[in-house]
Amino acid sequence: GAVVSQHPSWVICKSGTSVKIECRSLDFQATTMFWYRQFPKQSLMLMATSNEGSKATYEQGVEKDKFLINHASLTLSTLTVTSAHPEDSSFYICSARDGSSPYNEQFFGPGTRLTVL
Amino acid sequence: DQQVKQNSPSLSVQEGRISILNCDYTNSMFDYFLWYKKYPAEGPTFLISISSIKDKNEDGRFTVFLNKSAKHLSLHIVPSQPGDSAVYFCAASPDEVGYQKVTFGTGTKLQVIP
Repeated sequence: GAVVSQHPSWVICKSGTSVKIECRSLDFQATTMFWYRQFPKQSLMLMATSNEGSKATYEQGVEKDKFLINHASLTLSTLTVTSAHPEDSSFYICSARDGSSPYNEQFFGPGTRLTVL
Repeated sequence: DQQVKQNSPSLSVQEGRISILNCDYTNSMFDYFLWYKKYPAEGPTFLISISSIKDKNEDGRFTVFLNKSAKHLSLHIVPSQPGDSAVYFCAASPDEVGYQKVTFGTGTKLQVIP
């Protein structure tokens, strides 16, 4: 099946610093990638939809200047959490749609655990 | 506003028995439904899906039932195995084909007891 990787798998940073998370589709071209955030015991909340070569579409309540998304190639999307604060600590998961598939199935990465001290 | 609801946060089932996970939705625009399985510290993996034109879809031990009039779907796992222990997310989308976003429920943690 389709494989999506994320790097790093976990990161600890100091408050005020920026953190970049990479999401890669390893064996398919992902025209669309999604970024989710999951707080403990809660659902996956969609943060933004990223289409290759265009600006990301952010969900209501998500600060686009704080969560910078870049989707420069068909296999790589990055999420940068700028000026991170403790409340940004969460589990961030990306997913990707296979551009050659007509179906609305997303393949998820393993997630990145961010802890902001 | 939680458009996809999984009212049971957890479920325990004996190995070999049937596991039934339930999901309700409120948005009548949803036409395509998916179930994902998630282990701790991992991303969700796709299990099974169903289009609104069907009321049942089966794949091995997994069967999804859809009652569109009641806006309710369920995932049946039979027989349940210890390896099925995970969090199961119900998800819904306005369209099977296309680029519509998927809305997830809050998840049900299934524990299969050996």
